[in-house]
Amino acid sequence: QQQVKQSPQSLIVQKGGISIINCAYENTAFDYFPWYQQFPGKGPALLIAIRPDVSEKKEGRFTISFNKSAKQFSLHIMDSQPGDSATYFCAASIGTGANNLFFGTGTRLTVIP
Amino acid sequence: DVKVTQSSRYLVKRTGEKVFLECVQDMDHENMFWYRQDPGLGLRLIYFSYDVKMKEKGDIPEGYSVSREKKERFSLILESASTNQTSMYLCASSYRGETQYFGPGTRLLVL
Repeated sequence: QQQVKQSPQSLIVQKGGISIINCAYENTAFDYFPWYQQFPGKGPALLIAIRPDVSEKKEGRFTISFNKSAKQFSLHIMDSQPGDSATYFCAASIGTGANNLFFGTGTRLTVIP
Repeated sequence: DVKVTQSSRYLVKRTGEKVFLECVQDMDHENMFWYRQDPGLGLRLIYFSYDVKMKEKGDIPEGYSVSREKKERFSLILESASTNQTSMYLCASSYRGETQYFGPGTRLLVL
């Protein structure tokens, strides 16, 4: 059973556009929600993370929006660039940190020049 | 910079062989993890370890075992490789409750 559901599976966006990836969870005990970015041939790397005490976190062009009541969170990539083309994974964990992460199934983003 | 290295990038083995995948981290992290990554399934946790000689089962431990004799090294063992274990294997480490840092992965093909 997938603890974290992610959509879409793939996404194609024009350069300069906004990329939006959505995730949903059921377990209300989750209290840490990171996003990982993975380039081909590389391991995933932490991109940005949020805790449920805030509704939004922004780092540069990347923003996480968090809706606790709906048990959903999303990644927004503003002004998408070809260099953003990668696979993105949302994840969730219980406890004070990143142990026992439950990952979504991933979204392959392609940004067209 | 944290560095997590995995012994092989690509590995081809035959059904029934015993396979060892090695992972080393250089940041004195307590926690180490083994995941497998399959298209459409994301990353699934196989085993993790909180300390030397400690291990905990993850979501899909069947067919795998692990060994952690030293803090910096975490090995994944396939006792008798099967074709359904063909996958990308990712090792990660973290300091207590902090970010997990991943290695580059080992792509294993079992024929």
